[in-house]
Amino acid sequence: KAGVTQTPRYLIKTRGQQVTLSCSPISGHRSVSWYQQTPGQGLQFLFEYFSETQRNKGNFPGRFSGRQFSNSRSEMNVSTLELGDSALYLCASSLASVSGRGEDTQYFGPGTRLTVL
Amino acid sequence: GIQVEQSPPDLILQEGANSTLRCNFSDSVNNLQWFHQNPWGQLINLFYIPSGTKQNGRLSATTVATERYSLLYISSSQTTDSGVYFCACRSSGDKLTFGTGTRLAVRP
Repeated sequence: KAGVTQTPRYLIKTRGQQVTLSCSPISGHRSVSWYQQTPGQGLQFLFEYFSETQRNKGNFPGRFSGRQFSNSRSEMNVSTLELGDSALYLCASSLASVSGRGEDTQYFGPGTRLTVL
Repeated sequence: GIQVEQSPPDLILQEGANSTLRCNFSDSVNNLQWFHQNPWGQLINLFYIPSGTKQNGRLSATTVATERYSLLYISSSQTTDSGVYFCACRSSGDKLTFGTGTRLAVRP
């Protein structure tokens, strides 16, 4: 099976612009989660989607949004970019169940490295 | 939410040495994973281990859920083991929370 894929791998934007990142989960996985990794804050949870519904949300401003499509692919959008949004954005997928119980191993993609100038 | 603490923050080993990394968590978990992040940023699954013991080659892990800690053992370390090791935990219905990681450097 192919792993989690993320596009683009690298992105350079300027302050005030917006950006859309894409994540394709492992085939058959219905849950997709997004994380932001920075040297200062470590790995922080952004949001989790299951069957097109947001199931959990982290403590990020409303400029960060996401969605999941019927084929489980997910996108996240950051509007009005700030310098502090420069980070590695990681996507993970899992075979999460509707109940949220059971084995829930997260498999990560290679990430999108976003630089805001 | 759950708090996850990892120790030590940094570790330097000579090739061939053994090491133990620790992860303490503040609440009961239904998901605990160990990851290795390589220099390119890829998070590689090592173990899914909310309880019990597992082994995979030179690596093994033990989680004592009742005492809220997990240990990752690396034996006969190699330079390719270098990188950052993360423990991540999840309580039922909550998000996956990562510790701050242990940065391991294995010298030849």
